[in-house]
Amino acid sequence: DGGITQSPKYLFRKEGQNVTLSCEQNLNHDAMYWYRQDPGQGLRLIYYSQIVNDFQKGDIAEGYSVSREKKESFPLTVTSAQKNPTAFYLCASSIGNGLNTEAFFGQGTRLTVV
Amino acid sequence: DQQVKQNSPSLSVQEGRISILNCDYTNSMFDYFLWYKKYPAEGPTFLISISSIKDKNEDGRFTVFLNKSAKHLSLHIVPSQPGDSAVYFCAVREYGNKLVFGAGTILRVKS
Repeated sequence: DGGITQSPKYLFRKEGQNVTLSCEQNLNHDAMYWYRQDPGQGLRLIYYSQIVNDFQKGDIAEGYSVSREKKESFPLTVTSAQKNPTAFYLCASSIGNGLNTEAFFGQGTRLTVV
Repeated sequence: DQQVKQNSPSLSVQEGRISILNCDYTNSMFDYFLWYKKYPAEGPTFLISISSIKDKNEDGRFTVFLNKSAKHLSLHIVPSQPGDSAVYFCAVREYGNKLVFGAGTILRVKS
């Protein structure tokens, strides 16, 4: 079945450590996105990529890094520079290219700093 | 400054009645609008969308209305069912294919 897979579902990190969240899609989508959701807030865009080997900062990119070496994969690294990393992280993908299509989301990763 | 605003944090509706969720946006250049539904600890799922060339789009119990002059869109669910209880996000497509989301509205459908 086609879809987006995020792993792991739950992740615990010690303060000062970097951690990488995985996002894989087999929908052959060009565009991929990372969002963050905090309690009582909407989805805020961290980074997005419209094509392989290219990505742009979203609204809250500080303390995060991404790579897009393959079309199917868009991993997000939460670095020690991120002041408040505990949140629910969502990856999404869409066909892109300006077409009127929706984005499909993964099931999310809940990151907790301990 | 928020580009997409959902001013009602929550809405409670009786089963069988209509649910109306509202969303306002700031930029008249936005050309594609979407509604998503989200359950706790899950990713959002797409519900319905509308292009700026239309003012209404219907899919079963869900209808989205777009008022471009007011920069306002709304989602109507009729009849509302208990399974509709979730958080609803509106989103707009911005330049560069970015999707910008509102803060969400919690819908509770009481049986």
